Amino acid sequence: GAGVSQSPRYKVTKRGQDVALRCDPISGHVSLYWYRQALGQGPEFLTYFNYEAQQDKSGLPNDRFSAERPEGSISTLTIQRTEQRDSAMYRCASSPTSGGGNEQFFGPGTRLTVL
Amino acid sequence: AQKVTQAQTEISVVEKEDVTLDCVYETRDTTYYLFWYKQPPSGELVFLIRRNSFDEQNEISGRYSWNFQKSTSSFNFTITASQVVDSAVYFCALSFYNQGGKLIFGQGTELSVKP
Repeated sequence: GAGVSQSPRYKVTKRGQDVALRCDPISGHVSLYWYRQALGQGPEFLTYFNYEAQQDKSGLPNDRFSAERPEGSISTLTIQRTEQRDSAMYRCASSPTSGGGNEQFFGPGTRLTVL
Repeated sequence: AQKVTQAQTEISVVEKEDVTLDCVYETRDTTYYLFWYKQPPSGELVFLIRRNSFDEQNEISGRYSWNFQKSTSSFNFTITASQVVDSAVYFCALSFYNQGGKLIFGQGTELSVKP
């Protein structure tokens, strides 16, 4: 079946613009996670959802970052008033069940470049 | 503190050599999970293995083997008879039963296998 998909795959924007990154998880997966990966680093947790409920947003760097998953499927990560330091790979992952220890299936990522 | 350290930033070997990638973790929790992910040059993150804190048995899967030692808080990964296709960045990660499964990644080890 289809894996996790993300769009766009590449996004170039100017500083100060808002961007919306989309994640389409594997059908039926309960949990959805967002991570950010800087070049040469491991992914860093941003936030996660069980169904439509945002369970943990402790990794969001500041209030310019927000995420939603209104129908418990597709999720959108929004960055307002982008800054150059927001440039990174944004990765989405989904998991069939909630709770720790579950394998997470990652999407291909969205490479965001803020000029 | 909850942390994963991969001290080896880059490793270069010649094909058919054995190579071990080190992973050391920090936690005071008694229930946790350890993972290895592979990131090939194409950029996706591929799940390799999951281990829970109560299972210290080593595991072998083909040319891959994992050595989990709670006494030293390590979860090392060995590739036997390495191949060029093993060239990738490898990430070790940690998650917890009561934290919804969010992964804490190490910085990654870039493995280069030369023919």
